[in-house]
This record gives sequence, structure tokens and C-alpha cells, in this order.
Amino acid sequence: NAGVTQTPKFQVLKTGQSMTLQCAQDMNHNSMYWYRQDPGMGLRLIYYSASEGTTDKGEVPNGYNVSRLNKREFSLRLESAAPSQTSVYFCASTTILPVRGEQYFGPGTRLTVT
Amino acid sequence: GQQVMQIPQYQHVQEGEDFTTYCNSSTTLSNIQWYKQRPGGHPVFLIQLVKSGEVKKQKRLTFQFGEAKKNSSLHITATQTTDVGTYFCAGGTGANNLFFGTGTRLTVIP
Repeated sequence: NAGVTQTPKFQVLKTGQSMTLQCAQDMNHNSMYWYRQDPGMGLRLIYYSASEGTTDKGEVPNGYNVSRLNKREFSLRLESAAPSQTSVYFCASTTILPVRGEQYFGPGTRLTVT
Repeated sequence: GQQVMQIPQYQHVQEGEDFTTYCNSSTTLSNIQWYKQRPGGHPVFLIQLVKSGEVKKQKRLTFQFGEAKKNSSLHITATQTTDVGTYFCAGGTGANNLFFGTGTRLTVIP
């Protein structure tokens, strides 16, 4: 099992450019998450998908959109990148029923917006 | 809104010394999870606590969940260089998601 995979690993964008971060999991998990990690601020939830076909905003959704393409894949899109979106982005997946399970994280995407 | 605070932000210890990080929530939690992130890596799950007053041990690591289910701690006995990294707590409520603390970055001096 590959677990949670993310592409790309690194990306540099200019302000105003758009891009999509891809995430896939092969653990048959229902729930998937997108976080951003900034120095000294821990992990902040951008969007999550509790199950296939549903998505919900997290703590910091502005400037982002998501798509739960199928049970395996959950993508994050930046429509018009801004320097404030420079961060490390992690995708994670888990089961929440019958009990909340551990979150499995992907290796991360390091994004720089200039 | 939901907040999970974690202290200290940084901790430097000599190898062999003990280390503790504390996590406090503004609201009652249904469960708390702990993660470790090595430098340049991604968070990796360590443990989950669910019951009020619960204590769990993993070798040199001891995890506690407070009686009121609003705080938790991670204690490492006799730190080793392999313990280096950032430790995060993550509190769960009745909703789907977890609220991560800001993390404690542990440096172990050989």
C-alpha cells in the first residue's frame, strides 16, 4: 500500500497563477482532509470531505476550492495564488466510523508564491 | 471558536533529560490524538486517548488525558536523539475534524 500520495512535492507559482494539488489514498478511507502548515501555527484545516460526494470548509478556506473526485482522490485548487498562500500543504485521510481513527498524512507539497 | 493551545513552543534538552509538552483546549474534547513530525517530514500518529483521566504508555512516552477532557500531556523519559521533532496534539469534538495544537519542537543535545 502506498498510503497517502501527493503531487507535486514542490511548486513555485507567480502571484495570480492557478494550480491544483492532487491527493490520493489507497486505504479505503471515507474521510479526507487538506491542511496547511505555517511556522509556529501548527496545522490548520482548509477543507475536508467526510465522505465521497461531500465537502466542507475548515478553519481557513478562503482562496481555495476542493473536489472529492471519488473515494480515493481529493484535490485542492488555488484559483489565483497569493504570497500569503506560501506554505506546506498536507493531505490526510482517516476513518471516523464507528470510532475516529488516526489520520494518515501524505508527504506534503511545498508551495512558494512569489 | 475551538482552540487547542500547546506549550512550550520550543524545548531544548540534554540527551537523557525528561521532556513534557502540554495541550489545553477551550472546550471539552471527545478524544485527543498525538502526532510526531520529524524535520522535513509529515505528521505521524502516535496515540489516541478517549477516556477521562486516561493514561497510556509507549516505552519511554507517557500520555495523559485530563479528568475534564480539556487538557492532555506527553512526557518523554530519558530523551534520545531519535526523539527530535515536533509533537502535536489534536483535539476532536463531536464534529468530523480535529483541531491541531501549534506543536512543541523538541531539540535533543547529545
